[in-house]
Amino acid sequence: AQSVTQLGSHVSVSEGALVLLRCNYSSSVPPYLFWYVQYPNQGLQLLLKYTSAATLVKGINGFEAEFKKSETSFHLTKPSAHMSDAAEYFCAVTSGQGQAGTALIFGKGTTLSVSS
Amino acid sequence: DTGVSQDPRHKITKRGQNVTFRCDPISEHNRLYWYRQTLGQGPEFLTYFQNEAQLEKSRLLSDRFSAERPKGSFSTLEIQRTEQGDSAMYLCASSLASYRGEKLFFGSGTQLSVL
Repeated sequence: AQSVTQLGSHVSVSEGALVLLRCNYSSSVPPYLFWYVQYPNQGLQLLLKYTSAATLVKGINGFEAEFKKSETSFHLTKPSAHMSDAAEYFCAVTSGQGQAGTALIFGKGTTLSVSS
Repeated sequence: DTGVSQDPRHKITKRGQNVTFRCDPISEHNRLYWYRQTLGQGPEFLTYFQNEAQLEKSRLLSDRFSAERPKGSFSTLEIQRTEQGDSAMYLCASSLASYRGEKLFFGSGTQLSVL
């Protein structure tokens, strides 16, 4: 079965510092991978997605993620953190083997805190 | 685009009672998903529909849970004989089916507390 593991349930950075949120996936075939963000008291929203078109994926709000097959990783980065980035971030993978359009399987999430 | 709506926002019930939640997806979306989220965990997949057909259901889902999408528009999720372990946020999401990794639009959820 497909799954994702998010390393670190809580990450704290200073404003202006690099943000790195880690995600590793388990899949026997190339998966479709996603990062979603949940701001306080809001629903989840899509940050970016990997669908095999390009290994470096750019998303909203300056975030990007790189798909590395050799490391089975899809880490999320942002060069300079902003206070408004404080939220819960979820990595997700499609449940189907090599297929899009099926249920998303989410990781446990990483809470990002940004201090001034 | 009015977004995904869920009703009610909060539900408090006593153990053993039945509860029903409603989800209204974005109107042109043909897929509808139900997830459950507990504190400190990511959303857990429950089931999803394409139009009115229920295409996938989590193997972990108890028989006490049932979902419908009778006309391919709104959906209901019913939990029978609720247990304290059912306390969670129930999330609904909708999307347009895609073979390139569809984007899910989530509602704000229904928070269930079973006493």
